[in-house]
Amino acid sequence: AQKITQTQPGMFVQEKEAVTLDCTYDTSDQSYGLFWYKQPSSGEMIFLIYQGSYDEQNATEGRYSLNFQKARKSANLVISASQLGDSAMYFCAMRDDVFYNQGGKLIFGQGTELSVKP
Amino acid sequence: GAVVSQHPSWVICKSGTSVKIECRSLDFQATTMFWYRQFPKQSLMLMATSNEGSKATYEQGVEKDKFLINHASLTLSTLTVTSAHPEDSSFYICSAWAQARGHNQPQHFGDGTRLSIL
Repeated sequence: AQKITQTQPGMFVQEKEAVTLDCTYDTSDQSYGLFWYKQPSSGEMIFLIYQGSYDEQNATEGRYSLNFQKARKSANLVISASQLGDSAMYFCAMRDDVFYNQGGKLIFGQGTELSVKP
Repeated sequence: GAVVSQHPSWVICKSGTSVKIECRSLDFQATTMFWYRQFPKQSLMLMATSNEGSKATYEQGVEKDKFLINHASLTLSTLTVTSAHPEDSSFYICSAWAQARGHNQPQHFGDGTRLSIL
């Protein structure tokens, strides 16, 4: 069965430093996509970055990069040069081909609460 | 990115009343819309998946008669919480997705609705 695991309930990082948020996944499908979302205290879900299972390069979007290790089934989010505004909940999510063809359902992890210290 | 509008942002009402929440995809036609419920510091819990013109698919344990979903068009889905009680108080958030836009398309989320039943 499809599953996403985020083992860090909470993380602290000093402003301007880099931080890695862990995400491991499980699927028997060879084709899948991995997504990261940010949820500030105001509640909206902000899409950050996407990694496809067949993408050979790690995805990057500005200060966000995804450390994709397919053999380990991990898709860790790296935030460089942390800012106070990065304090939020971060969710890792996956959609494999089964779910893609059945309407696009995402499986979400439990989330990691990131706090950036000044 | 794509824009999804959700209204209202906050609802406070008396026990026994029904509450309707709207989710609109403003700049693309959504194949599918999703409704989630979220408790504080927890992950998103998928309630139901709706496709335009067809009945919603509810997740196990979600009461269909309590949470009515209508997906009248490719840009509008509504969630009605019928005869709401204090235990229905929660954060409800919708998302929209278009399969035709490809595997790398995320679900685009509304800003959520905080529902408080007195």
